[in-house]
Amino acid sequence: DAGITQSPRHKVTETGTPVTLRCHQTENHRYMYWYRQDPGHGLRLIHYSYGVKDTDKGEVSDGYSVSRSKTEDFLLTLESATSSQTSVYFCAIRGQRNTEAFFGQGTRLTVV
Amino acid sequence: ILNVEQSPQSLHVQEGDSTNFTCSFPSSNFYALHWYRWETAKSPEALFVMTLNGDEKKKGRISATLNTKEGYSYLYIKGSQPEDSATYLCASIGGADGLTFGKGTHLIIQP
Repeated sequence: DAGITQSPRHKVTETGTPVTLRCHQTENHRYMYWYRQDPGHGLRLIHYSYGVKDTDKGEVSDGYSVSRSKTEDFLLTLESATSSQTSVYFCAIRGQRNTEAFFGQGTRLTVV
Repeated sequence: ILNVEQSPQSLHVQEGDSTNFTCSFPSSNFYALHWYRWETAKSPEALFVMTLNGDEKKKGRISATLNTKEGYSYLYIKGSQPEDSATYLCASIGGADGLTFGKGTHLIIQP
């Protein structure tokens, strides 16, 4: 199994509070992605990174920021959580451009 | 942001029958097309990565084809088994490096 872990696995937070999710990899892969999974929407790309300090927006980036200060960690921050951000969040990593992605186990976030 | 579409959304197939479903993606600035299998309560796992027009890949009873000129890929399952029940996702990489997924085809194999 690819070495990718997400933390926390579950979190309940209050509206308006900041939340940070962590994705950690031990594969030294270049690409890292954050997705959210919602019923009827599949996996939607939030942000991704193509190297240390190199990030770009996905299709649902509003309300989220990311940082990648070292190869192995990709952080997703909800600056002020809203109920619409209740979702399951998946991190994925990918090596070379023509290789498959490997997914973490997901983080279930509930904003109340 | 790429527009990746999959059809049908869901599919019920009798055990032993063969089936196929479609992924369409922008043909301009194409780089790669991925297929993933996603079982309930698990994480998606890669089936195929395809890059060349006319590519055909096979893994056991599952195969896929790619047409980059017209922007579509087919996934085929031969002799469906109950363990094939899952959601099948396709994803495309365009000029940038974002991996954009379709909404998936939810496949249910009925014994």
